[in-house]
Amino acid sequence: DGGITQSPKYLFRKEGQNVTLSCEQNLNHDAMYWYRQDPGQGLRLIYYSQIVNDFQKGDIAEGYSVSREKKESFPLTVTSAQKNPTAFYLCASTPPGGEAFFGQGTRLTVV
Amino acid sequence: KQEVTQIPAALSVPEGENLVLNCSFTDSAIYNLQWFRQDPGKGLTSLLLIQSSQREQTSGRLNASLDKSSGRSTLYIAASQPGDSATYLCAPLGGGATNKLIFGTGTLLAVQP
Repeated sequence: DGGITQSPKYLFRKEGQNVTLSCEQNLNHDAMYWYRQDPGQGLRLIYYSQIVNDFQKGDIAEGYSVSREKKESFPLTVTSAQKNPTAFYLCASTPPGGEAFFGQGTRLTVV
Repeated sequence: KQEVTQIPAALSVPEGENLVLNCSFTDSAIYNLQWFRQDPGKGLTSLLLIQSSQREQTSGRLNASLDKSSGRSTLYIAASQPGDSATYLCAPLGGGATNKLIFGTGTLLAVQP
């Protein structure tokens, strides 16, 4: 089945630790996106990538990093510089000018 | 910078009512606009996609319209049901020279049985 897979579903991070969230798609989409959602709020764009080996900062990129070495993969690293990382993280992909598809999300909690 | 506003922020209606959700955006240079549904703690489910050249799209009890020049879209839900209770989000794709997908803050809908 074609789609987007995010893993893990739940992730716990200790203070000062870097963690990486996985996002994989088999839809052959060019563009991929990472969003953060806080309780009761909308989605805020962290990073996006329109082609392999290229990505741009979104509105809240500080404390996050990404890579796009393969078309199907767009991992997000939450670094220790992100002071308030507890949130719901969503990954999406789109073909050029086309419909966006989302993964089921990763819920990150700092312990 | 694209900014997206959704009105109302929350809405509670009795079952069977027709309702309209509103979405406005500041940059009309978009490729398309998509409406999504989000259930609590879940990812997003795509409801309707309207291309920039289209005026409306329909799927079952849902109808979405787009007026690109005025930066507005509406989602019409006919004969609402308790199962329609969710958060509804709109997202225009593009805006300026980018291919960004920017979201509004959503409308939280509760349909009372």
